[in-house]
Amino acid sequence: NAGVTQTPKFQVLKTGQSMTLQCAQDMNHNSMYWYRQDPGMGLRLIYYSASEGTTDKGEVPNGYNVSRLNKREFSLRLESAAPSQTSVYFCASSVSGGTVNTQYFGPGTRLTVL
Amino acid sequence: AQTVTQSQPEMSVQEAETVTLSCTYDTSESDYYLFWYKQPPSRQMILVIRQEAYKQQNATENRFSVNFQKAAKSFSLKISDSQLGDAAMYFCAYRSANNAGNMLTFGGGTRLMVKP
Repeated sequence: NAGVTQTPKFQVLKTGQSMTLQCAQDMNHNSMYWYRQDPGMGLRLIYYSASEGTTDKGEVPNGYNVSRLNKREFSLRLESAAPSQTSVYFCASSVSGGTVNTQYFGPGTRLTVL
Repeated sequence: AQTVTQSQPEMSVQEAETVTLSCTYDTSESDYYLFWYKQPPSRQMILVIRQEAYKQQNATENRFSVNFQKAAKSFSLKISDSQLGDAAMYFCAYRSANNAGNMLTFGGGTRLMVKP
């Protein structure tokens, strides 16, 4: 099992450019998440998908869109990148329902917007 | 909304000794889950330990244990016999049991340094 994979690992964009961050999981999890981590801070939730076909806003959704392509894949799109979106982006997945439902994280994507 | 606070931005421990990282949270709910995640320089987020709020017994995982004080809304992590590989950022996280999306709320993190 690869767990949660993310591409790319690093990306540099110019202000106004667009890009899509890809995430895939092979653990048959229903729920998937996108977080951002700014320097010296904890992770903040951007969007999540509780199950295939559904997406919901998290704490900091402005400037982002998501697509739950299928059960395995959950992508994050920046339509017009801004310097304030310079951050490390993490994708995570978990089972839904039940009890503890630990989230498993990908390795992250470091994005710099110039 | 729930908040999670880690009051120690940095901690230092001598190799083989014990260190405790603090975490407090604010919630009006009675049923929830608490987690500690480790983030080494590789940036990967690794689950260290988790605790269900309905359980009175403190969770333990090898050298890692927690002191869960529900009334005080405190969830500290104790690392025994510290090793160089324990050096990392540690994040405390909260999840409501009523949260269908299983969303986590994270604290700001504590950087742990381990001295040889």
